[in-house]
Amino acid sequence: GEDVEQSLFLSVREGDSSVINCTYTDSSSTYLYWYKQEPGAGLQLLTYIFSNMDMKQDQRLTVLLNKKDKHLSLRIADTQTGDSAIYFCAESNPGGYQKVTFGIGTKLQVIP
Amino acid sequence: DGGITQSPKYLFRKEGQNVTLSCEQNLNHDAMYWYRQDPGQGLRLIYYSQIVNDFQKGDIAEGYSVSREKKESFPLTVTSAQKNPTAFYLCASSAPGGNQPQHFGDGTRLSIL
Repeated sequence: GEDVEQSLFLSVREGDSSVINCTYTDSSSTYLYWYKQEPGAGLQLLTYIFSNMDMKQDQRLTVLLNKKDKHLSLRIADTQTGDSAIYFCAESNPGGYQKVTFGIGTKLQVIP
Repeated sequence: DGGITQSPKYLFRKEGQNVTLSCEQNLNHDAMYWYRQDPGQGLRLIYYSQIVNDFQKGDIAEGYSVSREKKESFPLTVTSAQKNPTAFYLCASSAPGGNQPQHFGDGTRLSIL
């Protein structure tokens, strides 16, 4: 079945870049998503990339996709304390409904 | 502003009691979803609904029930058959068409008294 893997924890200093990595197993994945979850809140969609793209940039966020290795990364430039949260990678695949598989989330800690 | 509203934010259940979590959306989305979030386990799909009056079991439907009588509403009932209901419950919705991203509410935290 589908599986999405992420490391559990990342710590960076304020102002540095953060890179959160994700690997997935389903080669038929069509869209890959990054969500952000702050404590006690729901998931906020940050960005998503279609599987035929290699890169997508949106302000401080850069998503890189290596489809051959099934590897997705989220780079946050100039990381701020407000970026401290859990980041979820997710993938969807064609089906009768939009089945989305989520990773377990990477907790990003930004040190002032 | 359009969005997804979940209520209540916190809910307590006694032994043997059924409780219902509310999810309302004004995004005009056809599809709605319920997930359960436990620490270290990510999100697991409980039920989903693609259109009104239709819903399907997800990966962990046992002990839960849903209804979809209106497009805007997708309530989740946690029944007494669910022996480990303590978790954070998230409702989501998505627009029609393939691979439209899911948008989430702010969640309901359910605890056992």
